[in-house]
Amino acid sequence: QQPVQSPQAVILREGEDAVINCSSSKALYSVHWYRQKHGEAPVFLMILLKGGEQKGHDKISASFNEKKQQSSLYLTASQLSYSGTYFCGTDDSGSARQLTFGSGTQLTVLP
Amino acid sequence: EPEVTQTPSHQVTQMGQEVILRCVPISNHLYFYWYRQILGQKVEFLVSFYNNEISEKSEIFDDQFSVERPDGSNFTLKIRSTKLEDSAMYFCASSNRAGNQPQHFGDGTRLSIL
Repeated sequence: QQPVQSPQAVILREGEDAVINCSSSKALYSVHWYRQKHGEAPVFLMILLKGGEQKGHDKISASFNEKKQQSSLYLTASQLSYSGTYFCGTDDSGSARQLTFGSGTQLTVLP
Repeated sequence: EPEVTQTPSHQVTQMGQEVILRCVPISNHLYFYWYRQILGQKVEFLVSFYNNEISEKSEIFDDQFSVERPDGSNFTLKIRSTKLEDSAMYFCASSNRAGNQPQHFGDGTRLSIL
């Protein structure tokens, strides 16, 4: 069962903040966040483990509530370079050898 | 920074033909993965590979698909008899451990089945 991401799309002005959510119906061991620009490979952003909140790079951070099986990605003071599609990949086995990706959230940052 | 490399970048094949997609994972990585992404859709897991054997595979990875690590550096995905619905971007990824380690993706091979 794939995780559900929301919103499906968001348009921001440079400098604005955004939150992208990822929720699963299964108990999760970890959530992996990736950003994909059009025509390119997904690029790893960060991993959230059970009980952990990890700060990534730039002004992007995330949280993971394992009781609710939810993760949120926070983009603060967005930059033009943040534009792309954000995918969460969930691991419900503990091995992370099979990530199940959500449908993605398309983020567009306008000047 | 080391990266995952994939060849070719674009492959055009007639339906029913066999195709082999090639990947060179990051050299000290031990876990290898194939994903596919149909145009405009999400990334879908196909298979993971560790210690010269498949460790996980999805329902997409049926008997038409196989993976191999023919030597110490390459990791290949073979589709035996391609169908139109196999048209997609295929990504290879690698990680140095499973669990809490990131998977690094290659730039992908765009497979077009005619």
